[in-house]
Amino acid sequence: GENVEQHPSTLSVQEGDSAVIKCTYSDSASNYFPWYKQELGKRPQLIIDIRSNVGEKKDQRIAVTLNKTAKHFSLHITETQPEDSAVYFCAALNTGNQFYFGTGTSLTVIP
Amino acid sequence: NAGVTQTPKFQVLKTGQSMTLQCAQDMNHEYMSWYRQDPGMGLRLIHYSVGAGITDQGEVPNGYNVSRSTTEDFPLRLLSAAPSQTSVYFCASSPFANTEAFFGQGTRLTVV
Repeated sequence: GENVEQHPSTLSVQEGDSAVIKCTYSDSASNYFPWYKQELGKRPQLIIDIRSNVGEKKDQRIAVTLNKTAKHFSLHITETQPEDSAVYFCAALNTGNQFYFGTGTSLTVIP
Repeated sequence: NAGVTQTPKFQVLKTGQSMTLQCAQDMNHEYMSWYRQDPGMGLRLIHYSVGAGITDQGEVPNGYNVSRSTTEDFPLRLLSAAPSQTSVYFCASSPFANTEAFFGQGTRLTVV
């Protein structure tokens, strides 16, 4: 099966700085990679996703990059704000329509 | 538009009891899934369905059953609850597997 590893597990940044979270996956056939944000006590919500035929995708302050050769993808948040503080999860979808999630990164943005 | 409705929000079970977690969506989504979330372990897929009448096992299916008799509903049944099933459970739906998933509010289950 797929194995998704996520680093770091915790990340603290000053407001206005950038944050980068990295994930690696093991199944080279995985083809869809979403990122979810989960605030304390809330449900996960999609913030950005990327498919295997694309190398990079941006949405305002958020971007995701995918390196299929190295089997890793990263979340980039620029100009961080206190409301970006949350737990972020990466995930990979394999050809069997099964999702595998990373173990999460707790991001704290210090005002 | 209700989205994904998951009930109950909280539940306490005794070891050996059975129960059903309900999940319903009104967005005509084909793909539905159940996850459990444990501290430090992220979300793990229990069962999923790519359409009515079709279900399949995820990463951690033991002790759980599902059915998908309609597009809207995807209940999760715990056959004989064990303390190891204490967790937060999320149901999710999406148009297809490789599209944005919408999660229910979650169920915090405690098995004593």
